[in-house]
Amino acid sequence: AQKITQTQPGMFVQEKEAVTLDCTYDTSDPSYGLFWYKQPSSGEMIFLIYQGSYDQQNATEGRYSLNFQKARKSANLVISASQLGDSAMYFCAMSSTNTGGFKTIFGAGTRLFVKA
Amino acid sequence: NAGVTQTPKFQVLKTGQSMTLQCAQDMNHNSMYWYRQDPGMGLRLIYYSASEGTTDKGEVPNGYNVSRLNKREFSLRLESAAPSQTSVYFCASNTGGSYNEQFFGPGTRLTVL
Repeated sequence: AQKITQTQPGMFVQEKEAVTLDCTYDTSDPSYGLFWYKQPSSGEMIFLIYQGSYDQQNATEGRYSLNFQKARKSANLVISASQLGDSAMYFCAMSSTNTGGFKTIFGAGTRLFVKA
Repeated sequence: NAGVTQTPKFQVLKTGQSMTLQCAQDMNHNSMYWYRQDPGMGLRLIYYSASEGTTDKGEVPNGYNVSRLNKREFSLRLESAAPSQTSVYFCASNTGGSYNEQFFGPGTRLTVL
């Protein structure tokens, strides 16, 4: 069965510092996609970054990067130079081509607090 | 572009009442999804529609029905609401496939008394 695990219910980071949010996944599918979404207190879900299982390089999008370690089945999100606006819930998610890519599963999330 | 819209934003029901949550997207996406989000949990897939004319069960389909009315619209119906269905419901869409991020609506907060 597929599973996403986020072991950090809450994290604190000082403004302007970097922070890593952990995500491990479990799947037997050879081809899959990994996503990170942000959910601010306003409630909407915002896509941040994507990593394909066959991508050789770690994905980056501005201040966000994904530390993809396939052998360890981990896909940690790194946020550099944290800003107060980064305070939010962050969800790791996975979908696989074996399910047509439609059955995305989400982790329980990590709540990030950025301190001034 | 409005993206993904959902109505209503808030709803309170009594046990046994029925209601339909509406979702529409204007991005010409093939695939649409309904999720529920409960405290301390991530989103769980209720139903999805890979393309117009098709629907399939997700992780937690019991107590729900869906209709893909056309390419733009995907509705979720609760026939007989139960307190266990108190949740925040999100609709999402994408072009389909595992390599495409989903675009989410603002959510509907449903309380069943």
